[in-house]
Amino acid sequence: EAGVTQSPTHLIKTRGQQATLRCSPISGHTSVYWYQQALGLGLQFLLWYDEGEERNRGNFPPRFSGRQFPNYSSELNVNALELEDSALYLCASSWNVVGGNTIYFGEGSWLTVV
Amino acid sequence: AQSVTQLGSHVSVSEGALVLLRCNYSSSVPPYLFWYVQYPNQGLQLLLKYTSAATLVKGINGFEAEFKKSETSFHLTKPSAHMSDAAEYFCAVTDSGGYQKVTFGTGTKLQVIP
Repeated sequence: EAGVTQSPTHLIKTRGQQATLRCSPISGHTSVYWYQQALGLGLQFLLWYDEGEERNRGNFPPRFSGRQFPNYSSELNVNALELEDSALYLCASSWNVVGGNTIYFGEGSWLTVV
Repeated sequence: AQSVTQLGSHVSVSEGALVLLRCNYSSSVPPYLFWYVQYPNQGLQLLLKYTSAATLVKGINGFEAEFKKSETSFHLTKPSAHMSDAAEYFCAVTDSGGYQKVTFGTGTKLQVIP
């Protein structure tokens, strides 16, 4: 069974540009989570989608946005990129969140803003 | 609101010595607790999960954790450290009450000294 897959693996963008990161959850999972892991800052929760709806959002500016498609895959968009957006972006998925289901992570997408 | 605190951002142990990584949680309802491991340049991998079935939880790679409600702790241990255990370890909590995101601790980097 395929795990959580993310693309691209690496992405280099210029300050002010937009970046789009993609995530395919494990088959059968309806929830998708996005986390940012910047150097020295740990895992910062970004967004959580379940059944196509945004369920929760972390403390990030509106230029971080995303969506979940009918097939439960998800996209994270970062507009007006800033240097400090350089980080590993991790996507995770789980079954319906009720009951503390385990979330499983992908390998991440490295975003470098120059 | 739920939270986890990991004491010690860096822990060093000698190969063969006991590994003890500390995690304390805060949750207003019975929690689900997790330990994840992240090897360099990789995503997070589930080590073990507490679901209230048993207070002592055994995970992969010889790790285990004990849930202590009175101490609100879920420390991770391994009797004998291997060089391959060098990684960053994250404790996480979610609750059983319904639509709640998973909250991660700030992580502990484990160094194993030969």
